[in-house]
Amino acid sequence: AQSVTQPDIHITVSEGASLELRCNYSYGATPYLFWYVQSPGQGLQLLLKYFSGDTLVQGIKGFEAEFKRSQSSFNLRKPSVHWSDAAEYFCAVGLNAGGTSYGKLTFGQGTILTVHP
Amino acid sequence: NAGVTQTPKFRILKIGQSMTLQCTQDMNHNYMYWYRQDPGMGLKLIYYSVGAGITDKGEVPNGYNVSRSTTEDFPLRLELAAPSQTSVYFCASVDRDNTEAFFGQGTRLTVV
Repeated sequence: AQSVTQPDIHITVSEGASLELRCNYSYGATPYLFWYVQSPGQGLQLLLKYFSGDTLVQGIKGFEAEFKRSQSSFNLRKPSVHWSDAAEYFCAVGLNAGGTSYGKLTFGQGTILTVHP
Repeated sequence: NAGVTQTPKFRILKIGQSMTLQCTQDMNHNYMYWYRQDPGMGLKLIYYSVGAGITDKGEVPNGYNVSRSTTEDFPLRLELAAPSQTSVYFCASVDRDNTEAFFGQGTRLTVV
């Protein structure tokens, strides 16, 4: 069975600092990979996704993520964090098996990001 | 477009009571999903549907039932509420030709 691990439960950074959130997955083949963000009391919003091709993917709000097959990782990065980025971030994996896999996801435990002024 | 709408937003149930969590999407998406979110556990798939009349179990289906009579609606039913079902429930939909899952704002359920 596939699994997703986000090693950091809580990360605190200063506004303007760089950010990297870690994500490791376990899956027999290359899965579909996603990062979602959840603001307090809100649903999840897709930041970016990787299906194939260029291993560095750009998303919304200035985020990017890099797929590293050799490390089974899909880490999320942002060069300069804004106070509005404070939220919970989820890495998710979908089976590389067509349509239903896009929403049939396995999520990591989440990383809570706190931003200090 | 409203996207994915969930009702109610909050609910407190007593043990043994039943309720239906409503989910409606106005994007004509084929695929719909129910997840539950527990602190520190991420989201876990309860049930999903690939179209009207077709549903299937996810990772944690016990204690829940679903139906899909129309493309728009995908209600989740709790028949005998238990404290272990205290959670935040999210509904999501995906278009067959798209890759992004759209989530509702969630229903926070407490069973006491």
